Amino acid sequence: QKEVEQNSGPLSVPEGAIASLNCTYSDRGSQSFFWYRQYSGKSPELIMFIYSNGDKEDGRFTAQLNKASQYVSLLIRDSQPSDSATYLCAVAHYGNNRLAFGKGNQVVVIP
Amino acid sequence: DADVTQTPRNRITKTGKRIMLECSQTKGHDRMYWYRQDPGLGLRLIYYSFDVKDINKGEISDGYSVSRQAQAKFSLSLESAIPNQTALYFCATSDSGTYEQYFGPGTRLTVT
Repeated sequence: QKEVEQNSGPLSVPEGAIASLNCTYSDRGSQSFFWYRQYSGKSPELIMFIYSNGDKEDGRFTAQLNKASQYVSLLIRDSQPSDSATYLCAVAHYGNNRLAFGKGNQVVVIP
Repeated sequence: DADVTQTPRNRITKTGKRIMLECSQTKGHDRMYWYRQDPGLGLRLIYYSFDVKDINKGEISDGYSVSRQAQAKFSLSLESAIPNQTALYFCATSDSGTYEQYFGPGTRLTVT
């Protein structure tokens, strides 16, 4: 089982709609969870982090964490063309002192 | 000015050559990391350092070496480059006690 899985293929959403991205992780002891946005050819940019079960909102972004189900999600409300990017889920493994990254989900916002 | 800088930004080199990628940061972070990114494989950790005297191997350290010259500088070397080391390389930093990592702009390396 992969440490961090992002299984959905490219996601196309109309402008103004909600984009929903999902991520599962295998290490039940993981404590910190991150979402990065990466534009093509650019570096990953940290957009959200969440440590506790529940929802965390920041502007148009909401991160949701369910540790019992080992599941973290990212919602992008009122999607804009500038949100078109690949979104990487990352999980902190304290025992290994590193972040484990998923392979990412591409989001395409259609004007 | 950028908080995390990488040089060079692009490099084409030949098989067997030694090459060094450099990373500098002004964020004052203690921890620094080197990753490579390949299409379909995601980000993979090569080496990381929690301070000047602490160097650790990541998932894919074979064929690479690093040097932490100062708190703000962390270099990655390919002793004898091979074509499958063609990738996008990122340096990242984080503060002690946190796992929020901040990435440099990347170096696109091509080994022919």
